Amino acid sequence: AQSVTQLDSQVPVFEEAPVELRCNYSSSVSVYLFWYVQYPNQGLQLLLKYLSGSTLVKGINGFEAEFNKSQTSFHLRKPSVHISDTAEYFCAVITGGGNKLTFGTGTQLKVEL
Amino acid sequence: SAVISQKPSRDICQRGTSLTIQCQVDSQVTMMFWYRQQPGQSLTLIATANQGSEATYESGFVIDKFPISRPNLTFSTLTVSNLSPEDSSIYLCSTDEGRRGGSYNEQFFGPGTRLTVL
Repeated sequence: AQSVTQLDSQVPVFEEAPVELRCNYSSSVSVYLFWYVQYPNQGLQLLLKYLSGSTLVKGINGFEAEFNKSQTSFHLRKPSVHISDTAEYFCAVITGGGNKLTFGTGTQLKVEL
Repeated sequence: SAVISQKPSRDICQRGTSLTIQCQVDSQVTMMFWYRQQPGQSLTLIATANQGSEATYESGFVIDKFPISRPNLTFSTLTVSNLSPEDSSIYLCSTDEGRRGGSYNEQFFGPGTRLTVL
C-alpha cells in the first residue's frame, strides 16, 4: 500500500527566507507525486506535480520540488517565502495506473515578518 | 481545468439528522471523489463515484452512513446520515479530467463544506 509521510507538522520561517517542506513516500511501483496548498478556509489548490521526465518540477508561486527515487522523497522548496505563503501544504501520491490520491498529514507553513 | 462548486459552504446540524452536500462541476467528468478532512488532519478518501454505477467506498466508510448519488456527468451528492459530533469535518469533492495517454493528470477540488454537528 502507498503512504506519504510529512515529518514536519509546522514550519515557521521568516519572510524572504528559503524553506523546504519534506515529503517521503512508500511505494514499490512507479508513482505520481503532487503538492497541494490549502489557504485558510479554502479548498485545495495544486502547486505542482511529478508524473515523469525531469525530476525537478516547477510549480506556481515560485515553488519547486525534486523527485528523488533512491530516497523516495519529493521535497518542496521555495528560495524566498512571502507572508502570503502562509498555508497548509499537503504532499500526495498515486501509484501508476491507479486513481486514488493518498495524502500526507500536512505541514503548516507560517511565514513571519 | 475543472471548476467545482459545493453547497452548502458550511452548516451546523443537530445530532441524529442528515446533511446532503452538492457538488457541481463545470464540465462533464467521468470520476468524482469525496473526501473527508477531520479537524487538524489530512484528507481521507470516502468514495469514488462514477456516473451510472454504484459508488465505490473505501475501507471504514459504508453506503448507509455516506450515501452518494451521481445522476449525471457534472453533478454528485454526498449525504452524511445520522450525524454525530464525530462527523464534524470538512467534506470535499474532486474530479480528475480523465487520463490522457495512460498518464494520471491531476485532481481539482471544490472549496469544501464545513460541517459542525452539535
